[in-house]
Amino acid sequence: KNEVEQSPQNLTAQEGEFITINCSYSVGISALHWLQQHPGGGIVSLFMLSSGKKKHGRLIATINIQEKHSSLHITASHPRDSAVYICAVLGGETSGSRLTFGEGTQLTVNP
Amino acid sequence: NAGVTQTPKFQVLKTGQSMTLQCAQDMNHNSMYWYRQDPGMGLRLIYYSASEGTTDKGEVPNGYNVSRLNKREFSLRLESAAPSQTSVYFCASSRDIPLEQYFGPGTRLTVT
Repeated sequence: KNEVEQSPQNLTAQEGEFITINCSYSVGISALHWLQQHPGGGIVSLFMLSSGKKKHGRLIATINIQEKHSSLHITASHPRDSAVYICAVLGGETSGSRLTFGEGTQLTVNP
Repeated sequence: NAGVTQTPKFQVLKTGQSMTLQCAQDMNHNSMYWYRQDPGMGLRLIYYSASEGTTDKGEVPNGYNVSRLNKREFSLRLESAAPSQTSVYFCASSRDIPLEQYFGPGTRLTVT
């Protein structure tokens, strides 16, 4: 079993919809990252969080340490949000100070 | 600021050839990383350098070597390329280990 599991693997939405991507992890961590990979391949860090909730524009990330679960929400989705969203955790049992990545969620937002 | 730059963007090698992937950052970051990304596998850490003068193995170091040339530059060398090393390689940097990482644009490597 992977240390980091994301769901769904693929998600198609209509413009304007509220989107949720989930990330579950099986080990104790010190921080969790959400990344966005554009269709051209570039990777951008969206959030790093260790507790609670963070918001940036239309993006919201939450984490529940007790339940070992994080969610990334996109409000009022737009076609330009189409990308792969990747969850990564820091501080797992086998990874220590290294990031362990989920396989990503492919999001497509149709106009 | 250019952020994190990588060269080359694309490369095709024959089995057994060697090459070095170059990475540089202009953000005065202490920590740098090399990842590979394969379909269905997610990003995996090859090597990292927590600070200038140190390097450590990541999850998949076999077949690779690294050099932290100075604070700005972190290179990845394939001494004898194998088809299993066909992948997209990303370099990243962060101010320190637990902090936000900034990624380069990637190098698409094909080994035939």
